[in-house]
Amino acid sequence: SQQGEEDPQALSIQEGENATMNCSYKTSINNLQWYRQNSGRGLVHLILIRSNEREKHSGRLRVTLDTSKKSSSLLITASRAADTASYFCATDRRLSNFGNEKLTFGTGTRLTIIP
Amino acid sequence: EAGVAQSPRYKIIEKRQSVAFWCNPISGHATLYWYQQILGQGPKLLIQFQNNGVVDDSQLPKDRFSAERLKGVDSTLKIQPAKLEDSAVYLCASSLSTGTGPWKQYFGPGTRLTVT
Repeated sequence: SQQGEEDPQALSIQEGENATMNCSYKTSINNLQWYRQNSGRGLVHLILIRSNEREKHSGRLRVTLDTSKKSSSLLITASRAADTASYFCATDRRLSNFGNEKLTFGTGTRLTIIP
Repeated sequence: EAGVAQSPRYKIIEKRQSVAFWCNPISGHATLYWYQQILGQGPKLLIQFQNNGVVDDSQLPKDRFSAERLKGVDSTLKIQPAKLEDSAVYLCASSLSTGTGPWKQYFGPGTRLTVT
């Protein structure tokens, strides 16, 4: 299986509920990033968490990282119809913050918010 | 600021034909990436440029794919000859990548290629 696998593959929830997506990876990472992709569009960066961080918040987003379990989760609180999209985790396996990052994307979670 | 521009947005070609995609990154961004995204999958890095030099092209099928980044700004990705399995969305991204990172990537809208 590939570096960065999201779980579940698809998720449908009612508007206003919270959505949780998980990402597992296999090798050591420098940082992990979450991206959103709306239907037929490019990806938009949501949040980045470094390997020495455990939790990060950005608006309605909360990301956790457990390097011992090689996993991350993305929580979207108070979901809105506009949150309907595919969400991808991407791992950066550089040994340091120097040099060019190289992201490996997972297969994504398709989130549908039901109005 | 202007985002990453790509053209064309859609392209339909027959197998064995050639096709070229163009990307204009965000001004001042040193690193440019080309990704291939097959339907239902995540993006896969094809090639990465730092200014006008290639940093990583390990996943680029070099027998049919080529890319260049002239003067460290715009880039073109070419496929010749195309195969059915090349049907995908081709995404271009750029990042600032100067000094200490990490840096987030900014993506263009992509080019949807259909090979018939």
